[in-house]
Amino acid sequence: AQSVTQPDIHITVSEGASLELRCNYSYGATPYLFWYVQSPGQGLQLLLKYFSGDTLVQGIKGFEAEFKRSQSSFNLRKPSVHWSDAAEYFCAVGAGAGKSTFGDGTTLTVKP
Amino acid sequence: NAGVTQTPKFQVLKTGQSMTLQCAQDMNHEYMSWYRQDPGMGLRLIHYSVGAGITDQGEVPNGYNVSRSTTEDFPLRLLSAAPSQTSVYFCASRSSTDTQYFGPGTRLTVL
Repeated sequence: AQSVTQPDIHITVSEGASLELRCNYSYGATPYLFWYVQSPGQGLQLLLKYFSGDTLVQGIKGFEAEFKRSQSSFNLRKPSVHWSDAAEYFCAVGAGAGKSTFGDGTTLTVKP
Repeated sequence: NAGVTQTPKFQVLKTGQSMTLQCAQDMNHEYMSWYRQDPGMGLRLIHYSVGAGITDQGEVPNGYNVSRSTTEDFPLRLLSAAPSQTSVYFCASRSSTDTQYFGPGTRLTVL
């Protein structure tokens, strides 16, 4: 069975600092991997996705993620965080047919 | 395109009542899913559908029914609401080669 682990429940960074959110997955084949962001009271918005090919993927809002098969990781990064990035971030692995398994999320707080 | 729409946005039920959460998408996507989100947890899959007339159970299906009579609609039925079903419910659609698109959610409270 597939699973996703986000080791950090809560991360606080200063505005302008760099950010890395960790994601580890377990899946038997080449995974489809996703990062979503959720603002309070809102639905989930896709930041980026990895299906195949280049292991460094670029997303919206200046985010990027790197797929590392050897480490079963798909960490999300941003070089300079803005106050508007404060939200909850979810990593997910997809098994097709609309079935995705989500991590428990990481809440990002941005200090001024 | 409206994308994925869900109604209602908020609902309060008493234990034992039944209700249907509506979900519709206008992207002609084959796949649709229902998730629930509880505090401190990610989304858990309730039921999903790979096309009209085809549904299957996800991780937490007990107490919920679904049907898929059209490509556009995928309603979720609570047969006899329980306090444990208090949650935020998200519907999502996905094409065969694309990513999931989520609705805005329905916040359900069962007293």
